[in-house]
Amino acid sequence: GESVGLHLPTLSVQEGDNSIINCAYSNSASDYFIWYKQESGKGPQFIIDIRSNMDKRQGQRVTVLLNKTVKHLSLQIAATQPGDSAVYFCAETHLGGGSNYKLTFGKGTLLTVNP
Amino acid sequence: GAVVSQHPSRVICKSGTSVKIECRSLDFQATTMFWYRQFPKQSLMLMATSNEGSKATYEQGVEKDKFLINHASLTLSTLTVTSAHPEDSSFYICSASPSDTQYFGPGTRLTVL
Repeated sequence: GESVGLHLPTLSVQEGDNSIINCAYSNSASDYFIWYKQESGKGPQFIIDIRSNMDKRQGQRVTVLLNKTVKHLSLQIAATQPGDSAVYFCAETHLGGGSNYKLTFGKGTLLTVNP
Repeated sequence: GAVVSQHPSRVICKSGTSVKIECRSLDFQATTMFWYRQFPKQSLMLMATSNEGSKATYEQGVEKDKFLINHASLTLSTLTVTSAHPEDSSFYICSASPSDTQYFGPGTRLTVL
């Protein structure tokens, strides 16, 4: 869901279930999107990316879906594990937009995996 | 993926002192690095873009005299928080990019007493 004020959206799943984390972006000129995972006290870690000429990209246990019509991005994690517990951020940028690939981050979603 | 390091990982200082944070790209050269600030349970806020050999570009509302950035080489950018105050306490993170994707450092936790 959408965040209000300073509260992060949260998603709680059981170990082994699939997780879907959603992100709405605002800039229709954005053409490159990245999902990052951030564990407590650490820097964001790259998970997967997708360019605007694609609508789906798969990695190991993760899939990113891009719907440019409604400016929506999602991250699917298969067979979620306790080690997947973290805050997940989507980020967008416009390659070649003259901004040195400056990223705009979403609010983040806290994923908690219950054993 | 590319590796970005930061030093120190944690720093505690007294109010009024200055603190320098280093960001290094370990296995690639970066003409551009980025500095972010993050408050608890919030997203990353871009502070400035660090450009090798030229002045940094600061985001609106970020004081350039307060947060000094120096990008003297293709693998090192430094952020100096001058005359730090308790409200400067935060998690500072840098990023750099060998291509399109930005890779982040582990962050520096600054606590100003």
